[in-house]
Amino acid sequence: GNSVTQMEGPVTLSEEAFLTINCTYTATGYPSLFWYVQYPGEGLQLLLKATKADDKGSNKGFEATYRKETTSFHLEKGSVQVSDSAVYFCALSPLITGTASKLTFGTGTRLQVTL
Amino acid sequence: NAGVTQTPKFQVLKTGQSMTLQCAQDMNHNSMYWYRQDPGMGLRLIYYSASEGTTDKGEVPNGYNVSRLNKREFSLRLESAAPSQTSVYFCASSPFQRRGQPQHFGDGTRLSIL
Repeated sequence: GNSVTQMEGPVTLSEEAFLTINCTYTATGYPSLFWYVQYPGEGLQLLLKATKADDKGSNKGFEATYRKETTSFHLEKGSVQVSDSAVYFCALSPLITGTASKLTFGTGTRLQVTL
Repeated sequence: NAGVTQTPKFQVLKTGQSMTLQCAQDMNHNSMYWYRQDPGMGLRLIYYSASEGTTDKGEVPNGYNVSRLNKREFSLRLESAAPSQTSVYFCASSPFQRRGQPQHFGDGTRLSIL
C-alpha cells in the first residue's frame, strides 16, 4: 500500500536558519505529492505540490522537488521566520483518475522558530 | 468565499451519546472526505464520497456513519460515542477526476468524549 514517512519533530530553529524537513514515500506508479501546513487551531492548508518526477513545487519561500529515484519530496526554506512555526504534513495521492483523490498523510513535523 | 465550513467547532459528549458533525463546501467540488487527527498519527481517512449519492469507507470507519446529503453537504455521525473517538475531525473536499488536485480542508471540530 501507499505510505509516507516524515522526520520526527519537533524541529526547533532560530529565525533566518535553513530548514529541511525530510519526506519519503512508498507508492506504485507516479503519485502526486503535496506539502500541507497546519497553523495552531486551524485546518490544513496546501503549501505546495508536484505531480511528476523532477517537478519543483514552491510557495512562500518553501520548495520541494519530486525525486523519483530516491522516492523523496523534502521540504526546504532558505530563511525561516517565527511566523513559519506550524505543523507540516507530507502527503501523496495515487495516480488513479475517475475516482476520489484519496490522500495518504505522513504523521506531521512540528516546526518551532525562535527569535 | 467560505471554502469548507464545519460545525460545531467544539463539542463535549458523554459516552454513549450520539451526534452529527456537519460539513458544507461552496466550491462545487464533487469529492468530500472526513478525517480524524490524533497525536503522532497524522490524518486518517474515515469515510469519503467521490460524488453525490456515493460513499465509501476509508481507513478507520468503525463507529461512524456518513451521509452525502447533496453536492454541498457531507455529514459524519457518531451513533454511540466512545472515548476512543476523542479527536479532531476534519472535513475536506476536492474536484473530481483530475490528477494532482489538492484537497481543501475545514478548520476542524474538536470532539471530546468523557
